[in-house]
Amino acid sequence: QLQLQESGPGLVKPSETLSLTCTVSGGSISSSSYYWGWIRQPPGKGLEWIGSIYYSGSTYYNPSLKSRVTISVDTSKNQFSLKLSSVTAADTAVYYCARPLAVAGFYYYYGMDVWGQGTTVTVSS
Amino acid sequence: EIVLTQSPATLSLSPGERATLSCRASQSVSSYLAWYQQKPGQAPRLLIYDASNRATGIPARFSGSGSGTDFTLTISSLEPEDFAVYYCQQRSIPEFGQGTRLEIK
Repeated sequence: QLQLQESGPGLVKPSETLSLTCTVSGGSISSSSYYWGWIRQPPGKGLEWIGSIYYSGSTYYNPSLKSRVTISVDTSKNQFSLKLSSVTAADTAVYYCARPLAVAGFYYYYGMDVWGQGTTVTVSS
Repeated sequence: EIVLTQSPATLSLSPGERATLSCRASQSVSSYLAWYQQKPGQAPRLLIYDASNRATGIPARFSGSGSGTDFTLTISSLEPEDFAVYYCQQRSIPEFGQGTRLEIK
């Protein structure tokens, strides 16, 4: 059974770069044509899609965050990562990694059916 | 940019009642709409994809309908565990609606 686990610092200072890693277990990140995504949720608010990376390395970012976001994949470690630069208090959130579903060999870009448990990141000095 | 607007913001119902949640897109998303359920302290759970297809393991009381710009998530008879926040998501830039809170009346 595929499992995702986020890891990284829980506290980041304003103007610095937030770095998180999602470790994939129970399956290979490069064995199928999946997308892998990051979503966040500020305290008491709704979900925001940050971006996704295709297993081959192609990336797709939310236009509202594109200038600050980098998502990468490390197939040797079965991980994908998120970097968000120049953070402010508005970037304080629970950050989730997730993978969309695949049906009958068709790999979806949306419809996340496997999620990590989420990791809380607070931006504060 | 396609904006998803969910209504109502809060829905108060009793167990056994029928729930109808709406998601409206600012332009057509064809049938590329998903629905999620989120309970406090938990990651979201995929319920419906492509507007009307139930995800694996989702009970039959959950159904989705619609196409173009207007979509509906229906819960035919509410169970106590169904009270949660529900989000819709579209495919092109897979952003989410702002959510509908389904609370016990």
